[in-house]
Amino acid sequence: NAGVTQTPKFRILKIGQSMTLQCTQDMNHNYMYWYRQDPGMGLKLIYYSVGAGITDKGEVPNGYNVSRSTTEDFPLRLELAAPSQTSVYFCASQKQGREKLFFGSGTQLSVL
Amino acid sequence: RKEVEQDPGPFNVPEGATVAFNCTYSNSASQSFFWYRQDCRKEPKLLMSVYSSGNEDGRFTAQLNRASQYISLLIRDSKLSDSATYLCVVTRAFNTGNQFYFGTGTSLTVIP
Repeated sequence: NAGVTQTPKFRILKIGQSMTLQCTQDMNHNYMYWYRQDPGMGLKLIYYSVGAGITDKGEVPNGYNVSRSTTEDFPLRLELAAPSQTSVYFCASQKQGREKLFFGSGTQLSVL
Repeated sequence: RKEVEQDPGPFNVPEGATVAFNCTYSNSASQSFFWYRQDCRKEPKLLMSVYSSGNEDGRFTAQLNRASQYISLLIRDSKLSDSATYLCVVTRAFNTGNQFYFGTGTSLTVIP
């Protein structure tokens, strides 16, 4: 069972570069989330989606964009990478409200 | 004030010990409560949901006190494999879906 798949696992970017973090789930979940986790900190919500075509900002959306053209995919776009975006990024999905989150294995991103 | 607060630890306990973690949440409208476990550099994984009546899963017992806005996790007969960071998580409903709020985690090391 694949569950939630994130790629890449690791990436180093130079300041100002762009990249897309990929996230796909095969559980037909409606809800999908992007979080970032800085060392010693809790997970912070970047963006979320409650279904295809619907996205909304979380707690820390600046510097990021998302799209949800299909139920399965929820890519996160960094347009102009900054050192403050160095973090571990987790994608998660959920069947519906109040149910548990399923996490991808994370992407460790460094911006130098 | 943070949505979820946890004692970061670290807790260093010998094998076989009983250890308890506490968590408080700030918003009385919070609806669902969970404990997640996170191993170093890995994604969070659900340990257990927390119910008002209290619930037990093997060596793990979770309690919720809505009046005090307090959640606890008790681990009995600690094993080396219990070493991890334990995240307290609460959710709240919004018009566009549920929001998950994560504590910064409590670090546990079980010593042989």
